[in-house]
Amino acid sequence: EDQVTQSPEALRLQEGESSSLNCSYTVSGLRGLFWYRQDPGKGPEFLFTLYSAGEEKEKERLKATLTKKESFLHITAPKPEDSATYLCAVRSTGNTPLVFGKGTRLSVIA
Amino acid sequence: DGGITQSPKYLFRKEGQNVTLSCEQNLNHDAMYWYRQDPGQGLRLIYYSQIVNDFQKGDIAEGYSVSREKKESFPLTVTSAQKNPTAFYLCASSSRGDQPQHFGDGTRLSIL
Repeated sequence: EDQVTQSPEALRLQEGESSSLNCSYTVSGLRGLFWYRQDPGKGPEFLFTLYSAGEEKEKERLKATLTKKESFLHITAPKPEDSATYLCAVRSTGNTPLVFGKGTRLSVIA
Repeated sequence: DGGITQSPKYLFRKEGQNVTLSCEQNLNHDAMYWYRQDPGQGLRLIYYSQIVNDFQKGDIAEGYSVSREKKESFPLTVTSAQKNPTAFYLCASSSRGDQPQHFGDGTRLSIL
């Protein structure tokens, strides 16, 4: 059974304090790992897709990396507007739906 | 603009009542999905459809029903058999293959 575990559950940072969020996964064969950002009362917003170990993607202050067992979402010099819940999801072999982790709730304090 | 529209934003259900949540997409996506989100639980899959006139149960399908008569539409009915319907419901769609899912802004369902 495909599983996704995100850590920490919650993270509180000072503005400018860089850190990383972790997404560990177990799948029969990875067809894609997806990162989303979710604001309160809204649907998840797509950020990145990673397909193979060693791949990296960047967008503004966010950088996602992938190994064979986990992915990291690095946040460099975060701002209060980066506060949100970050969700990780995987798709295994076959045309199966995504399996989501429970998310990391990030708070960035000015 | 292309996107996914969920309605209504807030919905209240009376005891013994069925309610239907609407989801429409104009992204020309083949696949559509319904998730339920509870605090601290993440997203749990209710039903999904990869093509018109076909759908599959997800992890928590009991007490829910769906239809997929048109490519653009995937309504979810929360039946009276669902004893704990209070949650945030999210609809998503994707093109086939390895493409990401895109989400609507959700419907919050509460019991009166």
